[in-house]
Amino acid sequence: ETGVTQSPTHLIKTRGQQVTLRCSSQSGHNTVSWYQQALGQGPQFIFQYYREEENGRGNFPPRFSGLQFPNYSSELNVNALELDDSALYLCASSAQGMNTEAFFGQGTRLTVV
Amino acid sequence: GEDVEQSLFLSVREGDSSVINCTYTDSSSTYLYWYKQEPGAGLQLLTYIFSNMDMKQDQRLTVLLNKKDKHLSLRIADTQTGDSAIYFCAESIEDNFNKFYFGSGTKLNVKP
Repeated sequence: ETGVTQSPTHLIKTRGQQVTLRCSSQSGHNTVSWYQQALGQGPQFIFQYYREEENGRGNFPPRFSGLQFPNYSSELNVNALELDDSALYLCASSAQGMNTEAFFGQGTRLTVV
Repeated sequence: GEDVEQSLFLSVREGDSSVINCTYTDSSSTYLYWYKQEPGAGLQLLTYIFSNMDMKQDQRLTVLLNKKDKHLSLRIADTQTGDSAIYFCAESIEDNFNKFYFGSGTKLNVKP
């Protein structure tokens, strides 16, 4: 158990809809990163939040957005869902600084039909 | 850019050693990681190595880093059927230690 929980574990959405995924970080961690893992691929970095501010973004369009709350939990929002958004979405919790470990949640499996 | 590459599959017999290889391109890599992913699960950190080290051993796991060739390997001694999983190599670079670049993963199959 990593102490990082994600919800929901699975969901199915229709193309064009919007979705919100949630992540609670491990106690003492102030950084949450989100990754998209398509089937058969490695995780791809979407963005990272540190102390409620975006702290780096990968090559994803603006319809992928996020939030971090004062308790360091985080949300990932995706608007105008496309079929290619179907993937496992992982969040990672860590503390800023060198030599820190990142702990991943179990992920949310999103299927867009 | 940051490119991490791994071979896709590896099959070994129970009790043998497994060696999973990874190459990366970014010379400013600071930490290199090995993660394990079992079916339907998230990522489990196995071990990591700082880029100024050549080797790190942790029980059955040995990590070797050749910084000149940008080559990382993970050796699992006495491989067990429970080690069957996908193994991801990842790097972080000095601009953001908590941002990882992952390879596509190596699927390890351990035959009894």
